[in-house]
Amino acid sequence: QQPVQSPQAVILREGEDAVINCSSSKALYSVHWYRQKHGEAPIFLMILLKGGEQKGHDKISASFNEKKQQSSLYLTASQLSYSGTYFCGTPDSGSARQLTFGSGTQLTVLP
Amino acid sequence: DAGVIQSPRHEVTEMGQEVTLRCKPISGHNSLFWYRQTMMRGLELLIYFNNNVPIDDSGMPEDRFSAKMPNASFSTLKIQPSEPRDSAVYFCASSSSGASYEQYFGPGTRLTVT
Repeated sequence: QQPVQSPQAVILREGEDAVINCSSSKALYSVHWYRQKHGEAPIFLMILLKGGEQKGHDKISASFNEKKQQSSLYLTASQLSYSGTYFCGTPDSGSARQLTFGSGTQLTVLP
Repeated sequence: DAGVIQSPRHEVTEMGQEVTLRCKPISGHNSLFWYRQTMMRGLELLIYFNNNVPIDDSGMPEDRFSAKMPNASFSTLKIQPSEPRDSAVYFCASSSSGASYEQYFGPGTRLTVT
C-alpha cells in the first residue's frame, strides 16, 4: 500500500525551512527517503529504522514516529541544490528491501 | 567505481515491437530492482531479484513483461509486444546485503512507444 506524502509541492526561498510528511496506513518498521532531480535518477538520503535515532544528512534531517506510522523530513536553511522531488519509501511485508514509494513532493527553492 | 549501468538510455519503438532493456548492477550487490516511472503512476516496483532469483514479480503489469537475471552482473527487462502505454522511464537499482538498505539507481532508460 502506497504511503501518502504531503504536501504535493512546495516553493520556498533560499534559506527558508520546509517539512515534508510521509504517512502509512500499515505498521512501519522503517522509512526510506530519496531525492530525485529533474531528468536524473533518485538518490538515497537516509533510512529511519524503528526504534532508531533521528537521522541527518547535511542540513536535512528526519524523524520517525512509529506509533503514528509517519515520518517527517526537515530541510533547514534550504539551498538551491535542495530543489527536486522527494520520495519516501516503505517496505512491503515480504521484504525490508522491497519498497513502495509515495507519489513524491516537489520542492522548488528560489534564489 | 562504476555505478549501475543501463542501456540503452533512450529507446523509441513502434507498437508491437519487442523491447529489451539491460542493466549491470554494482559489483558485489546481490539485490536488483526494476522500476517504472510515469507522471500518472509515479515510481513503481516491477520486480525484485535477490541472488539472481526473482523474489517478487507482482508489480509486473502483465504477461507482456518479463525479466531475467542470468548472472550476478546482468539483468534484462523485456516487453513483447510493446504498447504506447508502456512509455515511461525504466530504472534499474541494486543494493548490497549488508545493514545498509540503500538502493543505487541507474540513469534509467526512457522508452517511447509510438
